[in-house]
Amino acid sequence: GIQVEQSPPDLILQEGANSTLRCNFSDSVNNLQWFHQNPWGQLINLFYIPSGTKQNGRLSATTVATERYSLLYISSSQTTDSGVYFCAVERGSGGGADGLTFGKGTHLIIQP
Amino acid sequence: DVKVTQSSRYLVKRTGEKVFLECVQDMDHENMFWYRQDPGLGLRLIYFSYDVKMKEKGDIPEGYSVSREKKERFSLILESASTNQTSMYLCASSFWTSYNEQFFGPGTRLTVL
Repeated sequence: GIQVEQSPPDLILQEGANSTLRCNFSDSVNNLQWFHQNPWGQLINLFYIPSGTKQNGRLSATTVATERYSLLYISSSQTTDSGVYFCAVERGSGGGADGLTFGKGTHLIIQP
Repeated sequence: DVKVTQSSRYLVKRTGEKVFLECVQDMDHENMFWYRQDPGLGLRLIYFSYDVKMKEKGDIPEGYSVSREKKERFSLILESASTNQTSMYLCASSFWTSYNEQFFGPGTRLTVL
């Protein structure tokens, strides 16, 4: 099946720093999502981005589907950005229904 | 806003009990999913459903079954709970289209003693 690798596994930064999280995947995908898991376990949708670039406030994401990777950028980090960031891709050939395969996540800690 | 709710945030059961985890979504989504999350193993797909009464196995279906009698509700059933089913269970839903962003519920942390 499709493999999803995230790097780095852990990242500790000072408040105000910028960061780049990477997601590599082993095959073509029809769906790629970035999530932030908060301390209570809730997965919060950040981006649905199978290709191209999107921005939402201090966060942006880029997926280069032909090279099988995606990047999540966080600028001017705040302590509330702490948590685990997951990349997930849709298995299968697309067309409407299939589960996501998740990477192991990047554990981000923002220190005040 | 998309709303996916799960019946319990925390649940404690005994080995051998039959356990029902309920998930409800209010966005008229066709697809619904059950995942479990374990330290070191990440999130893994247990089962999913793309229509009422339809179900498909995910990566780790053993020891679980599901039921979807209504479009908005998807149940995960542990027929005889075991300690290795202690985990965080997450439900998700999405449209059955090429744009099929998944939205997750808050999760149920199940402990089997």
